[in-house]
Amino acid sequence: DAKTTQPPSMDCAEGRAANLPCNHSTISGNEYVYWYRQIHSQGPQYIIHGLKNNETNEMASLIITEDRKSSTLILPHATLRDTAVYYCIVSGNTPLVFGKGTRLSVIA
Amino acid sequence: ETGVTQTPRHLVMGMTNKKSLKCEQHLGHNAMYWYKQSAKKPLELMFVYSLEERVENNSVPSRFSPECPNSSHLFLHLHTLQPEDSALYLCASSQVGYATGEGYTFGSGTRLTVV
Repeated sequence: DAKTTQPPSMDCAEGRAANLPCNHSTISGNEYVYWYRQIHSQGPQYIIHGLKNNETNEMASLIITEDRKSSTLILPHATLRDTAVYYCIVSGNTPLVFGKGTRLSVIA
Repeated sequence: ETGVTQTPRHLVMGMTNKKSLKCEQHLGHNAMYWYKQSAKKPLELMFVYSLEERVENNSVPSRFSPECPNSSHLFLHLHTLQPEDSALYLCASSQVGYATGEGYTFGSGTRLTVV
């Protein structure tokens, strides 16, 4: 699996957009970019995934650079309930391997 | 409720005990997984079952024994565990060929403490 690099922690003011970066410079052509989050002591929750194009759903937007070597997860209006560890994972047809992720703290 | 149910939520067991963790999914998925998450560490993949066959075993000690009797149920049998096996054990399910789907659905986990 391609490895990803994420900052260990970030802060975001409540109501502002949270932009979480991820580098995946060795991604292969058939590998997707997945984002999950884990709220304290719960199971990870799927957020969004994409291959080449930008994606948006009710939770977030995913922006993938044209060369696919990096991506950004955007939470448009962060709330206190968005405080969690966010994982960026690249995977083709292999089991998901989780790294350390980014601990996002949303501050009132 | 995510569609993946794990029981029990909490378990305390002695090193000589035998216990089992149970996972059940109601999503019609055909692949199931066990992950281990120790304190302040990333999730570690333990076992993968695809179409009820074990397809991956990530060098997990034999004191952990998985069982997948059908596509909806997954067990993790535990015996003679060590205190360092204390962790959150997470079950997940997905469709084979998950790269085109929504990925994995996780249960809430079993918090295991070995004393």
